[in-house]
Amino acid sequence: DAGVIQSPRHEVTEMGQEVTLRCKPISGHDYLFWYRQTMMRGLELLIYFNNNVPIDDSGMPEDRFSAKMPNASFSTLKIQPSEPRDSAVYFCASSLGSGYTFGSGTRLTVV
Amino acid sequence: GQQVMQIPQYQHVQEGEDFTTYCNSSTTLSNIQWYKQRPGGHPVFLIQLVKSGEVKKQKRLTFQFGEAKKNSSLHITATQTTDVGTYFCAGVKTSYDKVIFGPGTSLSVIP
Repeated sequence: DAGVIQSPRHEVTEMGQEVTLRCKPISGHDYLFWYRQTMMRGLELLIYFNNNVPIDDSGMPEDRFSAKMPNASFSTLKIQPSEPRDSAVYFCASSLGSGYTFGSGTRLTVV
Repeated sequence: GQQVMQIPQYQHVQEGEDFTTYCNSSTTLSNIQWYKQRPGGHPVFLIQLVKSGEVKKQKRLTFQFGEAKKNSSLHITATQTTDVGTYFCAGVKTSYDKVIFGPGTSLSVIP
């Protein structure tokens, strides 16, 4: 298995632009998580899905952030419009109940 | 809400010295997980502890779960430069809850 696959690895965008981050979880894993990591705030859980259904989105910063999981093998995290304070590393992780497998992350820079 | 704290925030050790990081939860946990993140990398799952007082070993790493299931520790014997990274504990309140990550302990090993 190739593990959790995220794309792109790096994204540089201008303030106000829409950004879409993508994630392919490990086949068979029924939980999918989106995390944001910054030096100041550490690892923050944004949202997680179970069997493609959003369970807890209380960590989503504001309405500019949205996440979808249209099927078991794909999820997106969208930021529209993006702001400089959204600059961070965004990780996707999947799990079968214990122990999360993280993707390599997307480093987002909003200028 | 549930909080997971870790101390110390940073630790610098000479190669060959031992290292310990401590994790404390404000609530009783169902289980606790430990992750390691190398600089520039993503968190990698190390182990999960479930039982009160449980002790598990992985080569030079010893993990312990407290009797009250509110604290945990990770001890590394005779550190090596390959141990460099940030060690996160992550607590789960119930089997169906999301994992809450601690802020991590950043370990530097001086050769």
